[in-house]
Amino acid sequence: GAVVSQHPSWVICKSGTSVKIECRSLDFQATTMFWYRQFPKQSLMLMATSNEGSKATYEQGVEKDKFLINHASLTLSTLTVTSAHPEDSSFYICSAIRQGLTYEQYFGPGTRLTVT
Amino acid sequence: QKEVEQNSGPLSVPEGAIASLNCTYSDRGSQSFFWYRQYSGKSPELIMFIYSNGDKEDGRFTAQLNKASQYVSLLIRDSQPSDSATYLCAVKGSNFNKFYFGSGTKLNVKP
Repeated sequence: GAVVSQHPSWVICKSGTSVKIECRSLDFQATTMFWYRQFPKQSLMLMATSNEGSKATYEQGVEKDKFLINHASLTLSTLTVTSAHPEDSSFYICSAIRQGLTYEQYFGPGTRLTVT
Repeated sequence: QKEVEQNSGPLSVPEGAIASLNCTYSDRGSQSFFWYRQYSGKSPELIMFIYSNGDKEDGRFTAQLNKASQYVSLLIRDSQPSDSATYLCAVKGSNFNKFYFGSGTKLNVKP
């Protein structure tokens, strides 16, 4: 299978600060990446679709000014949580689409964010 | 109606038995179907994908697709305690780059 990495794997930050999470597709190019958030014992929640070279598409209810997404290259997308608050503490997971016959979606290992 | 429906479980099976996980979807134009395994505290891992009607086998896993009835299933033979996880069904919709996930079925394999 394809490999998607995320960095950092976990981060603790103080309320009001910003945190950047990187998502990389290591062995394939990905024109499309997704960002998800998952709270404990809950389902994946799609936050936004990140397209290389264009603006991200945000799901309803997700603040685009708070969750900044930049898809700078075919292998890198970043999510910046700005002015983080304790309610932003969650498990953030990115995924990348390997285009082909079936458009498989591969997930990164996730980033656990704790805002104190 | 949700795009993808799964029974949340938990589904409990004894070690060595066959676990059968089911999923239905609403978009008749869907072309690709995926099963992910998610362990607690980890991200989802792709274990099977299928896009043609019928069965696809990979080791102990068999994915079954019936487009006319709009359902996908995953069979796990010789279930092991290490198979205990939440299994997510995902469907690539007819719209470009739209994927829909079920809420997952929790599987418990008892030793």
